[in-house]
Amino acid sequence: DQQVKQNSPSLSVQEGRISILNCDYTNSMFDYFLWYKKYPAEGPTFLISISSIKDKNEDGRFTVFLNKSAKHLSLHIVPSQPGDSAVYFCAASGKNNFNKFYFGSGTKLNVKP
Amino acid sequence: DAGVIQSPRHEVTEMGQEVTLRCKPISGHNSLFWYRQTMMRGLELLIYFNNNVPIDDSGMPEDRFSAKMPNASFSTLKIQPSEPRDSAVYFCASSFSTFGNQPQHFGDGTRLSIL
Repeated sequence: DQQVKQNSPSLSVQEGRISILNCDYTNSMFDYFLWYKKYPAEGPTFLISISSIKDKNEDGRFTVFLNKSAKHLSLHIVPSQPGDSAVYFCAASGKNNFNKFYFGSGTKLNVKP
Repeated sequence: DAGVIQSPRHEVTEMGQEVTLRCKPISGHNSLFWYRQTMMRGLELLIYFNNNVPIDDSGMPEDRFSAKMPNASFSTLKIQPSEPRDSAVYFCASSFSTFGNQPQHFGDGTRLSIL
């Protein structure tokens, strides 16, 4: 039973435009959410996070939005660059669980020059 | 700053052989996680440790899989005997989990091929 879902396996965007990656979760006890980026032959690297007390967190070109009522998370990349082409995983965690994360299945982003 | 170090990076072995994957977490981190990545199931959590103690091994697929963390700086994931369906990329991650949620930091993985 997947508690974190990424329903789009892939996304293709033109360089300079906005990329929007989506993630849904089912467990209302989750209170910490993250996005990871993964290049081929490398491990996932942490990109940005948000706690449930916020609905938006921004870091440069990357913004994460959290809609708790809809149990929905999204990552916006503006403007998109070819170097952003990678697989993006969302993850979620609840309290008092030794930092265990539940990961989505990933969305492969392709930014075309 | 050294990140999470996994070895070997690639392992090719024949069915039935024992396979041992190794992980050195980031110094000071007190939680360690083993994941398996496959096309079908994405990133699956196999087992995780806190302060060297296994907390949850419910993700370990079968008794052929075992993991140990003898000290704070070393962990192993063992498959014995190995089968072709164990072929995947195995990741180790570590984090500091004493003061609330923190990002996990991943190694670059071990690509395992069982022939």
